[in-house]
Amino acid sequence: NAGVTQTPKFQVLKTGQSMTLQCAQDMNHNSMYWYRQDPGMGLRLIYYSASEGTTDKGEVPNGYNVSRLNKREFSLRLESAAPSQTSVYFCASSKDNSGANVLTFGAGSRLTVL
Amino acid sequence: EDQVTQSPEALRLQEGESSSLNCSYTVSGLRGLFWYRQDPGKGPEFLFTLYSAGEEKEKERLKATLTKKESFLHITAPKPEDSATYLCAVQSFQGGSEKLVFGKGTKLTVNP
Repeated sequence: NAGVTQTPKFQVLKTGQSMTLQCAQDMNHNSMYWYRQDPGMGLRLIYYSASEGTTDKGEVPNGYNVSRLNKREFSLRLESAAPSQTSVYFCASSKDNSGANVLTFGAGSRLTVL
Repeated sequence: EDQVTQSPEALRLQEGESSSLNCSYTVSGLRGLFWYRQDPGKGPEFLFTLYSAGEEKEKERLKATLTKKESFLHITAPKPEDSATYLCAVQSFQGGSEKLVFGKGTKLTVNP
């Protein structure tokens, strides 16, 4: 039972480069999320997908785009990376987006933008 | 604005020395309060959900409690393997949508 799988685990980019973080879950969850975690700050929601075919902005969406490719996969794209996007990114999923939802997180992707 | 504040930021205990972590919150329309554990280099792992004041949940050496303004994570006779960062998160329903806010976490170190 893999749960939530993120790739890559580590990535170094130069300012202005683009990249896509991939996320897949095998729990048949409807909702998926992308968070970033920075030192001294709580997890902050970038984008989420309440169900297949829908995506919505979270707290810090600027500079990112997402695609819910199917029920299993939710990708995060940085079109033109900036040093401020250096962070650890976590993908998460939950059964749905209503009520008190337990999130299952991936292991994280550490991104450094030079 | 919804706020979730965890204290202390860091806590160092000796093995067997019991203590508590605090999570205070100011939200309206509470749906639930969550505790997660995060080990270095890994994603957060779910521990507990509490839904209403007075509720308590236990798992091994951990016990979570909830009041109208705060939650405590009590750690009884901790072991070195309990060392981790503990995250609190509060889910509320406001303006027709769900909102989940995470605290900054408490880094717990248990020395043998």
